Amino acid sequence: GAGVSQSPSNKVTEKGKDVELRCDPISGHTALYWYRQSLGQGLEFLIYFQGNSAPDKSGLPSDRFSAERTGGSVSTLTIQRTQQEDSAVYLCASSSLSYEQYFGPGTRLTVT
Amino acid sequence: AQSVSQHNHHVILSEAASLELGCNYSYGGTVNLFWYVQYPGQHLQLLLKYFSGDPLVKGIKGFEAEFIKSKFSFNLRKPSVQWSDTAEYFCAVNSGYALNFGKGTSLLVTP
Repeated sequence: GAGVSQSPSNKVTEKGKDVELRCDPISGHTALYWYRQSLGQGLEFLIYFQGNSAPDKSGLPSDRFSAERTGGSVSTLTIQRTQQEDSAVYLCASSSLSYEQYFGPGTRLTVT
Repeated sequence: AQSVSQHNHHVILSEAASLELGCNYSYGGTVNLFWYVQYPGQHLQLLLKYFSGDPLVKGIKGFEAEFIKSKFSFNLRKPSVQWSDTAEYFCAVNSGYALNFGKGTSLLVTP
């Protein structure tokens, strides 16, 4: 079946612009996660959704980052007023009740 | 603070050599343990997992890992590596929902 998909695969933006990153989880997976992968920090947890609710937003690095999930499916991660330190690969994962998280291919964000 | 440590950042092996990648974690209580692999240009894939039961778990492509609770370790092993095992390997732990990852080990297998 289809895996987790993310779009765009690459995004280059100017410092100060807003960006939206999209994640389509595996159909039927109720849990959705966003992570960030960067050279200096490795893989960091950002936010977790159970259904449309985000019980844990503690990993979001600043208030410039926000995320939402609608219909228990698609999620959007928004970064406002991007900074160079936001450059990273943003990964989305989804899971059912089994705790196995399935990852998408990621969005490579470059802030110039 | 909860953490996951991978001891080797870069490993270079010849084909047919044996592999062991170390992973230690610092968590109290019940944990779930994972090894993920990221082949060049590909996304993270699950190699194997441990939730409970037999502490020696077998995954895909001949990999296995052993959970040693007393040592807080979950080392990854493979008896004989192939060139196609060249990848980055990540140990991860969760005690709830979020995965906490180690920094990763880059494995290069030379022909």
